[in-house]
Amino acid sequence: KAGVTQTPRYLIKTRGQQVTLSCSPISGHRSVSWYQQTPGQGLQFLFEYFSETQRNKGNFPGRFSGRQFSNSRSEMNVSTLELGDSALYLCASSLVGPTTETEAFFGQGTRLTVV
Amino acid sequence: AQTVTQSQPEMSVQEAETVTLSCTYDTSESDYYLFWYKQPPSRQMILVIRQEAYKQQNATENRFSVNFQKAAKSFSLKISDSQLGDAAMYFCAYRGPTGANSKLTFGKGITLSVRP
Repeated sequence: KAGVTQTPRYLIKTRGQQVTLSCSPISGHRSVSWYQQTPGQGLQFLFEYFSETQRNKGNFPGRFSGRQFSNSRSEMNVSTLELGDSALYLCASSLVGPTTETEAFFGQGTRLTVV
Repeated sequence: AQTVTQSQPEMSVQEAETVTLSCTYDTSESDYYLFWYKQPPSRQMILVIRQEAYKQQNATENRFSVNFQKAAKSFSLKISDSQLGDAAMYFCAYRGPTGANSKLTFGKGITLSVRP
């Protein structure tokens, strides 16, 4: 069974540009969450999508947005990039049922560098 | 809001010895989940162990075990017979009740080094 796949693995962008990151969850997993990891702030929750709906959102500016498709794949978009957006972006998926939920399985991350 | 605190930024252990990583958390929920994740230099987050708050028995996975003290809101990880491959960053994480959302709240992490 394939794990969580994030593309691309590495990105270098210029300030002011926008970027789109992609995440393919484990087959059957309908919950996809995104996290930003930086040395200073650690791991911070961005948002979670479940069945194409945003179920929860962290404290990030509106420049950060996401969406989920009917096949549960998710994309995250950051517009008007700032130097401070340089980070490792991690995607995680989990299997959610009526009364149960598995732990989150993470992808290898996308390393974004803004110059 | 839930918070997770890992107060030790770094720890070191001799190979084959035992080490305990500390974690405390704060929540007003009675039903929740706690996790320890390992992040090696490859940056892949790997689940080490999981504990359901409603279970009184401490979780164990091979050389890894937890000491879950619900009243004290403490969740420490014990690694027995430490191996060189255990060297990594370890994160304690909290998740709320099933069905609410899948958001994980992480501690700052602790860097564990293993001396040969």
